[in-house]
Amino acid sequence: AQTVTQSQPEMSVQEAETVTLSCTYDTSENNYYLFWYKQPPSRQMILVIRQEAYKQQNATENRFSVNFQKAAKSFSLKISDSQLGDTAMYFCAFISTQGGSEKLVFGKGTKLTVNP
Amino acid sequence: DAGITQSPRYKITETGRQVTLMCHQTWSHSYMFWYRQDLGHGLRLIYYSAAADITDKGEVPDGYVVSRSKTENFPLTLESATRSQTSVYFCASSESILGTGPFWETQYFGPGTRLLVL
Repeated sequence: AQTVTQSQPEMSVQEAETVTLSCTYDTSENNYYLFWYKQPPSRQMILVIRQEAYKQQNATENRFSVNFQKAAKSFSLKISDSQLGDTAMYFCAFISTQGGSEKLVFGKGTKLTVNP
Repeated sequence: DAGITQSPRYKITETGRQVTLMCHQTWSHSYMFWYRQDLGHGLRLIYYSAAADITDKGEVPDGYVVSRSKTENFPLTLESATRSQTSVYFCASSESILGTGPFWETQYFGPGTRLLVL
């Protein structure tokens, strides 16, 4: 079974600085997608960035970028120029096809606090 | 407004009562999902649906029933609510893009329903 591990339950960063959130996953699949979702205090889940496993180039969305290491099964999120609005829970997620049953598997989340 | 909506946003009920949580999406996405979010467990899949009249169990389906008579709606029913079902419930939808690798693309989440079972 696929698993997603976020080893940092909580992190904090000063405004304008850079922070990296870790995520590792376990799968025997070769084709899959990886995602980072943000959940602010409003509780809504918001997609931050996604990465296709077949692409070697790391995905980037404005201040958010990933470091995808397929061999190491690592998918970290880097937030540059952190803003107060980045304060949220961040979830790493994984999806693949396996026996026709396709499910999104989430890590347990990292609580990020951006301090002024 | 376009998007995915859930109702009610907050619900308090008593043990043993039947509760239905509604989910509606305007994108005509093929796939819809129900998750519950609890402290220490993250998000767990309850049920999902690949199309109208097609549903399948997720990780934690016991105590829940779903239906999908129309593509845009995916209600979740707790037939006899228990305290362990106190949680935040998220509905999500996703398009199916055949022939381009994994069936599922990005999932779009609703705002969530906070359910308290007394």
